Amino acid sequence: AQSVTQLDSHVSVSEGTPVLLRCNYSSSYSPSLFWYVQHPNKGLQLLLKYTSAATLVKGINGFEAEFKKSETSFHLTKPSAHMSDAAEYFCVVSDGFQKLVFGTGTRLLVSP
Amino acid sequence: GAGVSQSPRYKVAKRGQDVALRCDPISGHVSLFWYQQALGQGPEFLTYFQNEAQLDKSGLPSDRFFAERPEGSVSTLKIQRTQQEDSAVYLCASSLVRVKVGPSGNTIYFGEGSWLTVV
Repeated sequence: AQSVTQLDSHVSVSEGTPVLLRCNYSSSYSPSLFWYVQHPNKGLQLLLKYTSAATLVKGINGFEAEFKKSETSFHLTKPSAHMSDAAEYFCVVSDGFQKLVFGTGTRLLVSP
Repeated sequence: GAGVSQSPRYKVAKRGQDVALRCDPISGHVSLFWYQQALGQGPEFLTYFQNEAQLDKSGLPSDRFFAERPEGSVSTLKIQRTQQEDSAVYLCASSLVRVKVGPSGNTIYFGEGSWLTVV
């Protein structure tokens, strides 16, 4: 069975500093991995998804994630945080078909 | 519509009451999903439709939960005899075609959710 572990429930950064949200996955085969963002009272929005063509995946709003098979990790990064980045972030693994398995989420707090 | 639409956005139900939550997927989307998100948790899969066929209902927590999509578009999630543990956000999502969500697969679009509180 597939699963993901988000290592931090909360991450606090200052505006303009780098963001790192950590995720480790478990999968019995080559996984499909995603990051979703959820702003308060808003729907889940896809930030990026892993394609086997490249281990470094670029997403929207300046976010990117690196797939590291040896470490079973898929950490999300952004060079410079913006106030509008404050939200809940979910690392997600798929069984390849209809089921998405979500992590417990990381709340990103951005201070001025 | 432009996105996945859910109603009601907020519902307060008395314990034992039946509730119905509606989902309007993006027009033309074949696949439809329901997820349950408890407070402080990530969403958990409930059920999946391809057109009107319910292909997977393995995530439904009990026989009090029932979902339908009779004409292959709008879907309703019904919860009978609600309990306090049913309090959660219920998320609907849709995808354009038969889902393969791998690297070359389709994007799943989520609605804003229906917030259910059982008192």
